[in-house]
Amino acid sequence: GDSVTQMEGPVTLSEEAFLTINCTYTATGYPSLFWYVQYPGEGLQLLLKATKADDKGSNKGFEATYRKETTSFHLEKGSVQVSDSAVYFCALTRTEGTALIFGKGTTLSVSS
Amino acid sequence: GAGVSQTPSNKVTEKGKYVELRCDPISGHTALYWYRQSLGQGPEFLIYFQGTGAADDSGLPNDRFFAVRPEGSVSTLKIQRTERGDSAVYLCASSLRQGAVGYTFGSGTRLTVV
Repeated sequence: GDSVTQMEGPVTLSEEAFLTINCTYTATGYPSLFWYVQYPGEGLQLLLKATKADDKGSNKGFEATYRKETTSFHLEKGSVQVSDSAVYFCALTRTEGTALIFGKGTTLSVSS
Repeated sequence: GAGVSQTPSNKVTEKGKYVELRCDPISGHTALYWYRQSLGQGPEFLIYFQGTGAADDSGLPNDRFFAVRPEGSVSTLKIQRTERGDSAVYLCASSLRQGAVGYTFGSGTRLTVV
C-alpha cells in the first residue's frame, strides 16, 4: 500500500543553519504531496504542497520539490530560526481532499 | 467558528468504559475527517464524512469505533469498551469540500485509557 518514510529525528540545528528533512514515498499513480507542521501545543498546519512531478511548493522560506524519478519530496530551508522548532510531517494523498497518509514526523529543534 | 474545535482537550477513562469525542468544524465546511495519532507516530486516518454520510470509514480499526455527523456539521467519535491501546491523540480536520486544498486541523483530544 501507499506509504511515506521520513528521516528520523530529532534534528538539532543552530539558528541560521541549513535544513533538510528527507521524505520518500511509495504510491501508485501520481499522488499529491504535502508537508505539515505541528508547533508545540498547536494543531497540524499545512506548510506547503505539490500536486505533480517537478512542482515546487514553498512557504515561509521552506521549499520542497516533487521528484517522481526518486519518489522524494525533501523539505529544505536556507536559514532556520528558533521559531521553526516543531514537528514536521510529510504526507501524501492519491485523491486530494480524501485520506492523507502521513510519515512518522521529524522533530526539529533550533537553538540560538 | 474561526477554527476546528475539539472537546474535551483531554480525557482520562478507565478500561472498558465508553467515550465520546466531539469535533466542531469550521462553519460551512462540508468535509470532515478523523485521525488518530499515537505517540511518536504520524496521524492515521480513521474516517471521512462528506456532509452527513461517511464517505470512507476504512480506517476504523474495529467495530468498537463509530462516528456520526447527523446534521452535517458537528461530529462525534464514539469508542466502546475502551482498551489501553486506544490511548492516543484523536485529531479532527475539516475542509470546504472534497478535493479542497489542504485541511484545517483541530488541536486534538488526548485520550488516556487507564
